[in-house]
Amino acid sequence: KQEVTQIPAALSVPEGENLVLNCSFTDSAIYNLQWFRQDPGKGLTSLLLIQSSQREQTSGRLNASLDKSSGRSTLYIAASQPGDSATYLCALTDSWGKLQFGAGTQVVVTP
Amino acid sequence: SQTIHQWPATLVQPVGSPLSLECTVEGTSNPNLYWYRQAAGRGLQLLFYSVGIGQISSEVPQNLSASRPQDRQFILSSKKLLLSDSGFYLCAWSVRVDKETQYFGPGTRLLVL
Repeated sequence: KQEVTQIPAALSVPEGENLVLNCSFTDSAIYNLQWFRQDPGKGLTSLLLIQSSQREQTSGRLNASLDKSSGRSTLYIAASQPGDSATYLCALTDSWGKLQFGAGTQVVVTP
Repeated sequence: SQTIHQWPATLVQPVGSPLSLECTVEGTSNPNLYWYRQAAGRGLQLLFYSVGIGQISSEVPQNLSASRPQDRQFILSSKKLLLSDSGFYLCAWSVRVDKETQYFGPGTRLLVL
């Protein structure tokens, strides 16, 4: 059974620092990997999607890498801003399209 | 453009009462539909998914059921709520044949007392 782990569970950084969020998984037979953002009491917003054949995806200040062989993905957020404060979730998609989520990393960016 | 709606946004119900949460999608046809639950401090757990009208698959045994009476309508129900049913319920959709991202609704916060 696929297990998805996100470390750390919580992270607090001063504004301007780069953020590094980690996601690990036990079964490399994935269809793709997604990173989501969740604001308190809100739904999820998709940030980046990496297909299993890709190594990374970039969108603005966000960069996500995928290493299937080691079962790891990393989300980098450059020059963090207070507006980046949220919970970040990684999720793996199986061949049917079902998502398996990690528990998330709660990020606080202090001004 | 596609949008997904959930209601109600918040619900407080007594133990043993029935439940009906509704999710509707606009701007797409034949979507895959999903119900997730997010318990406090925990990750999202897939409860049900549907590939078409009347086609429901359950991921975990539980006190809840789901129905899809129309192509873009997905309903989560319970006959008698338990305390453990409290949580944040999220509906999502994805394109039927394209295994790309899932799009999530705003969620319903359920508190069972």
